[in-house]
Amino acid sequence: GAVVSQHPSWVICKSGTSVKIECRSLDFQATTMFWYRQFPKQSLMLMATSNEGSKATYEQGVEKDKFLINHASLTLSTLTVTSAHPEDSSFYICSARDHAGGFQPQHFGDGTRLSIL
Amino acid sequence: GQQLNQSPQSMFIQEGEDVSMNCTSSSIFNTWLWYKQDPGEGPVLLIALYKAGELTSNGRLTAQFGITRKDSFLNISASIPSDVGIYFCAGIDRGSTLGRLYFGRGTQLTVWP
Repeated sequence: GAVVSQHPSWVICKSGTSVKIECRSLDFQATTMFWYRQFPKQSLMLMATSNEGSKATYEQGVEKDKFLINHASLTLSTLTVTSAHPEDSSFYICSARDHAGGFQPQHFGDGTRLSIL
Repeated sequence: GQQLNQSPQSMFIQEGEDVSMNCTSSSIFNTWLWYKQDPGEGPVLLIALYKAGELTSNGRLTAQFGITRKDSFLNISASIPSDVGIYFCAGIDRGSTLGRLYFGRGTQLTVWP
C-alpha cells in the first residue's frame, strides 16, 4: 500500500519551455502533497505544500509564479515549471500523506529528473 | 527552520559489519522517520517512530526515538551490498498539523563485498 506515482521520470527540454510533473497517490487519498527539489549529493529541500482544493503554501525563496502547483483532486497534484531555464535543472520529488486512520508518514514518488538545455 | 544534524556523513564498511547512524534536532519532535534513497529514485520509508523511547525493528534495521525527543538512531546489522544508498532521518515537530518533514543531510553508506 501507500504507492505514489510520479510522471514523467525524466525530461529534457529547451530553455523557455514549460514542464508539467504529475504526482498521483495510487491506493489512498492524499489531502496533502509535498514538492521537493534535490541537488546532487544534497538533502531534500521542501518547495511547497499542496492542499487539495486550496492554494499551495510555498517555502521562503521559492517563486510561486515560477513553480505552479495545482492539487485539484485527492489523488493528483501537479507541478509546472514555467519558462524553464538551465538553473531549474534538478531532481524534483513529490510525496503524499494518507490522512485516513490517524497519522501516516509521507510516501515519496520516484522523482523526475529535469534537464534544461 | 528546524536544524537536524545527521552523522556520520558517509560510511565505508565491509559486508557483514554493523552500522550505526544518528540524528539530533534543535527542538522537540513528535515523530521520527528513517528513509533510504537509491540513486535516481525517491526515498523509501524504512521505519517510523511515534513515541519517545520507542524501539522499532524492520528486519536487520532497528531505530529508536530518543527519550529527550530530540534525537534518533538507526542501526543496520550484518550489512549486505544492497544496503548501499543514502539514509535520511526526518522529523515532524509537535506543532505541525500537515506533517511537514525536516530532513537530515543524509548518510552515504558504501558496503564492500
